[in-house]
Amino acid sequence: DIQMTQSPSSLSASVGDRVTITCRSSQSISNYLNWYQQTPGKAPKLLIYAASTLQSGVPSRFSGSGSGTDFTLTISSLQPEDFATYYCQQSHSHPGFGPGTKVDMK
Amino acid sequence: QVQLQESGPGLVRPSETLSLTCTVSGGSISSYYWSWIRQPAGKGLEWIGRIYTNGDTNYSPSLKSRVTMSVDTSKNQFSLKMNSVTAADTAVYYCARVLTYSYGWGYFDEWGQGTLVTVSS
Repeated sequence: DIQMTQSPSSLSASVGDRVTITCRSSQSISNYLNWYQQTPGKAPKLLIYAASTLQSGVPSRFSGSGSGTDFTLTISSLQPEDFATYYCQQSHSHPGFGPGTKVDMK
Repeated sequence: QVQLQESGPGLVRPSETLSLTCTVSGGSISSYYWSWIRQPAGKGLEWIGRIYTNGDTNYSPSLKSRVTMSVDTSKNQFSLKMNSVTAADTAVYYCARVLTYSYGWGYFDEWGQGTLVTVSS
């Protein structure tokens, strides 16, 4: 099984901050990495697929990068609606999710 | 815009079978993979399995012995059955559409709102 880790597990930030979340896989997964945003009581929302492709309708302040085992989700200027938990998901084999990174208000 | 809606009992007794259905509206269920994903309260997401519209299935190795998925294209529905449930199966259950690229297992672009299933006597 491919294990996914995320860091940090939580972070505090302010509106306008640049936020970076890291996701690592236990073995190379090429670009089979996807990112989701989840707010309390809601279903996850797809942000980025194939490591760096922005899902239609997702604001351009979100970006993804990486390949192999190391991946990054960046929010260039945090907005109030971005306070949420973010999950990475590998799709190289049986899908697996990272443990999540909670972004809250400083 | 495709919409997904989970339905089924919110309470299941231990050792019994959990049964959920996902109804797809606003588009055809055909020619896609469809998945079930669950999330215990305050915890992360766990993939349960996927089904293609021809009935082909793949299940999580950790749940494979207890899970069965089926699809009814005439009703635009797919279903999940999980037997021998315990309190550890208490979670919000989501259905989701799977899109794939290259040879990967896919990502989840459309989700249902989720339904809470509690396993308790």
